[in-house]
Amino acid sequence: QLQLQESGSGLVKPSQTLSLTCGVSGGSINSGGYSWNWIRQPPGKGLEWIGHVFHGGSTYYNPSLKGRVTISEDRSKNDFSLTLNSVTAADTAVYYCARENFLAATGFDFWGQGILVTVSS
Amino acid sequence: SSELTQDPAVSVALGQTVRITCQGDSLRDYYVSWYQQKPGQAPELVIYGKNNRPSGIPDRFSGSSSGNTASLTITGAQAEDEADYYCNSRDTSGNHVVFGGGTKLTVL
Repeated sequence: QLQLQESGSGLVKPSQTLSLTCGVSGGSINSGGYSWNWIRQPPGKGLEWIGHVFHGGSTYYNPSLKGRVTISEDRSKNDFSLTLNSVTAADTAVYYCARENFLAATGFDFWGQGILVTVSS
Repeated sequence: SSELTQDPAVSVALGQTVRITCQGDSLRDYYVSWYQQKPGQAPELVIYGKNNRPSGIPDRFSGSSSGNTASLTITGAQAEDEADYYCNSRDTSGNHVVFGGGTKLTVL
């Protein structure tokens, strides 16, 4: 059974950089046909897709994040990471990593438990 | 703003049928997936593709689509179905993922 686990700092100061990693176990991020995603949810609000990385390293990002975001994979560690620059209080959210079966269009079938990141001085 | 539109809240009497809808231009070209989220938990996939349920999802959950509108139907709603429900698909470019704003389902 595939498992995803987010890790990283839960508190980031305004204007600084948010960095999170999603560790994947029970499967390989090298498997073709999948995208590895970051999704966030501000307190009391809905889900927002941040972006994804495919096997091979190609990426797509939510245009609303205006170039502040980078998602990368580390095949040797079987994980993928999120970097979000110049954070503000509006970036406070629970951050989830999730797998999408892109080729089969089966949606986000596995999710991490989520990690709360608070932006505050 | 979301390119997929959902009603913010819907209610259903216990044991009755409820339909939750999701509208968006991209739904004419791309399948929608549906997720259930209970407080303090990660979302869980309940419907994907044309009308498919992951293993373990009760068969009272079903999906359908027509034109720019997709629907999640719960036939015989149970108390444990009370949750937030989100739809997701692609945007019209096909390159980006979008979520609906979510529907809070109350089972009366």
